[in-house]
Order: sequence, then structure tokens, then C-alpha cells
Amino acid sequence: QKEVEQNSGPLSVPEGAIASLNCTYSDRVSQSFFWYRQYSGKSPELIMSIYSNGDKEDGRFTAQLNKASQYVSLLIRDSQPSDSATYLCASLMNRDDKIIFGKGTRLHILP
Amino acid sequence: KAGVTQTPRYLIKTRGQQVTLSCSPISGHRSVSWYQQTPGQGLQFLFEYFSETQRNKGNFPGRFSGRQFSNSRSEMNVSTLELGDSALYLCASSLDGRLSGELFFGEGSRLTVL
Repeated sequence: QKEVEQNSGPLSVPEGAIASLNCTYSDRVSQSFFWYRQYSGKSPELIMSIYSNGDKEDGRFTAQLNKASQYVSLLIRDSQPSDSATYLCASLMNRDDKIIFGKGTRLHILP
Repeated sequence: KAGVTQTPRYLIKTRGQQVTLSCSPISGHRSVSWYQQTPGQGLQFLFEYFSETQRNKGNFPGRFSGRQFSNSRSEMNVSTLELGDSALYLCASSLDGRLSGELFFGEGSRLTVL
């Protein structure tokens, strides 16, 4: 089992709708989770971090963490064409302090 | 505030050669991590340096090595290049990667091995 798993997509969402991106992780003791966005030809940039069970909102973005299910998600409300990118889920593995990334989900917002 | 700077941005090498990539972190950042990114494997952790010490290492062969200097600049070296080493090599800096997890990435060095 991969340490951090994501559906590769592409996920196509109409403009204005909610985009839902999901991620599962294998390390039960991981405490810190991150969502990075990577535009084509660019480097990843951090958009959200979450450390506690529940929801964390920042503008149009909401990160959700469920440690019991080892599941992290990112919701993007009112999706815009500029949200089209690859979204990388990452976890700080407590057992060895590495930040491990999933392979990413390609999101395409349809105008 | 200047971002993470990686050089060179692009390079082409042949099998068996070696390559050295450089990374200058954001001023004040002491942690530098290196990742290899390929379409098939995504972002894979190579190693992390903090205060000139390798603090963590990924599952790559010994041909991949790195170091960090007293000014936090870091270099990584790949010896005896193989075709499969063709990838985008990303450097990321952070104040302390272990604690915050907020990584600031450079634009990367794209290596092509022929």
C-alpha cells in the first residue's frame, strides 16, 4: 500500500461547482497533512494545512481530516478555471519525519 | 524576499556521467529537501538537510547524494547516470520542515539523460 494515495484523475468539474479531492494515508500516527497545488510547468505551492480532525476553511478552500478513516479531502467551492491544476496531498510521517506526497489529482474546471 | 533558486534549470547528460544540482533556499530557512518528480511516480523524497546535516533520506540508491553548506545552500549529486534518472528535481526550503511541513519549492532542475 502506498503511503499517500490519490486518484490521478482527471477530475472535470463545471465552473461554479464544488470540486472534491480525496486522499488516503497509511501511517496511522501521522498528525500533519497538506494540500499543494501545482500548475502545469510550475512547482508545487502550499494552499492548505490541517492537523486536527474536522474541517478547516480558508476562503473557497476547505480541508477535511478524518483520522479514524485515515482520510483527507479538499473542497473547492465556486470552482474557477484558474483552479485547473494538479493537487498534491502530503503527509508528515511521524515515524521518520519525512513529508511524503501522493501522486496528485489533475483537476480540470470546465468554463 | 527572494524565493528558492535552483540551478541549472535544464540540463542534458548521457548515461554514465554525473551531475550536480544546486539549491539556494529562502533567506533564514535552514531546512532543504530534495524531491524527484516523474510522471509515473510523482514526487519522491530524496533527502533533507538541516544545519549541514542529513536529517532524513528516501529510498534512492547511493548514486544519489547531497550536502548542505554553512549558508544553507545545498547541492545534490547523481553519479553514473541512468536513463531512469531523467526527471524534474525539486528543491524545497522551510524554516524547519519537520515541524511546519510548509515547503517552498524552487522551479526545479529538469534533467534529461540520453
